[in-house]
Amino acid sequence: GIQVEQSPPDLILQEGANSTLRCNFSDSVNNLQWFHQNPWGQLINLFYIPSGTKQNGRLSATTVATERYSLLYISSSQTTDSGVYFCAVLGTSGTYKYIFGTGTRLKVLA
Amino acid sequence: DAMVIQNPRYQVTQFGKPVTLSCSQTLNHNVMYWYQQKSSQAPKLLFHYYDKDFNNEADTPDNFQSRRPNTSFCFLDIRSPGLGDAAMYLCATSRRQGSWTFGSGTRLTVV
Repeated sequence: GIQVEQSPPDLILQEGANSTLRCNFSDSVNNLQWFHQNPWGQLINLFYIPSGTKQNGRLSATTVATERYSLLYISSSQTTDSGVYFCAVLGTSGTYKYIFGTGTRLKVLA
Repeated sequence: DAMVIQNPRYQVTQFGKPVTLSCSQTLNHNVMYWYQQKSSQAPKLLFHYYDKDFNNEADTPDNFQSRRPNTSFCFLDIRSPGLGDAAMYLCATSRRQGSWTFGSGTRLTVV
């Protein structure tokens, strides 16, 4: 099955710093989403981005489907950005199974 | 305004006592998923429904069952919970291969 790897696994930032999180996937995908899991465990949808670039406030994401990776950019980080960031992909084999990446745990220090 | 609702948010059950977690949606999505997430790990797919078609993951224990009586509701039944089943259980929905919406999750504790 499709493999999804995220890097870095852990990241510590000072408030106000910028960061880039990466998601690599091993096969073609139909869909890709980025999620933020807050300290209470809820998965918040950040971007639905099978290809191209999107921006939402301080966050933006780019997916280069032909090269099998996606990037999530966080600018001017805030303590509320702390948590775990997951990408999840849907393969092209006619399945409805989304596969989660390994996650990046982000801690933003005040 | 919540679109995928999971009840309860926290569930404590006794070792071996059957427990049912519920998920409801107002989105009229075809696909409903149940994921198990243990501490510091990525969510792991247990099973999913496309309409009434049930799809079980090969490594989902027999102890876990699911029911989808209609489009709006999906249930996760754990027949004999063990200590290793303590986890966050996440329900999600999607329309065919569209974007996903997750519920807030149910955190299960087994005592």
